Amino acid sequence: EDQVTQSPEALRLQEGESSSLNCSYTVSGLRGLFWYRQDPGKGPEFLFTLYSAGEEKEKERLKATLTKKESFLHITAPKPEDSATYLCAVQAHGSSNTGKLIFGQGTTLQVKP
Amino acid sequence: GAGVSQSPSNKVTEKGKDVELRCDPISGHTALYWYRQSLGQGLEFLIYFQGNSAPDKSGLPSDRFSAERTGGSVSTLTIQRTQQEDSAVYLCASSHSDRAYGYTFGSGTRLTVV
Repeated sequence: EDQVTQSPEALRLQEGESSSLNCSYTVSGLRGLFWYRQDPGKGPEFLFTLYSAGEEKEKERLKATLTKKESFLHITAPKPEDSATYLCAVQAHGSSNTGKLIFGQGTTLQVKP
Repeated sequence: GAGVSQSPSNKVTEKGKDVELRCDPISGHTALYWYRQSLGQGLEFLIYFQGNSAPDKSGLPSDRFSAERTGGSVSTLTIQRTQQEDSAVYLCASSHSDRAYGYTFGSGTRLTVV
């Protein structure tokens, strides 16, 4: 069964304290791995797509990396405005051929000034 | 419109009543998705519409749930005889195709069944 597990569930950092969020996945053929940011009361906002092991993407203080079993979202020198829930999702190759995503439960990040 | 619009933003209903949730996707997006986000749970896929193709209903949890998409645009998710376990945030997303990087989510409808 296709599955996505994120850790930790919650993370508290001081402003400037770098860290990483983990996303482990098992999928019958990876079509893509996605990172989203979700603020309270809002829908998820797209951050990155990764397609193959070894791929990296960067955006401001965030960098996403991908291996055959997991992805990391590295946050360098975070600021309070980076506080949010970060969601990881995978899209699997399958007979249905849809854009359906399988999401992890998310990591809630709090960055204190 | 500029984004995916969902209405209502909040809905409180009594157990056993029917509810309708509306999603207005981004103009020109052919794919539309419904997801459910329960407290402490990840987003759960419900249903997918793509153009004129038959929808993928594989995620609908029971026959009390149904959805339609009229004219390739607006979609309505209907929950009949609501139960307390239906309480969740229902999120709609749209994209140009079945490639998920194009997903844009709405802000969701928070449904509370009392």
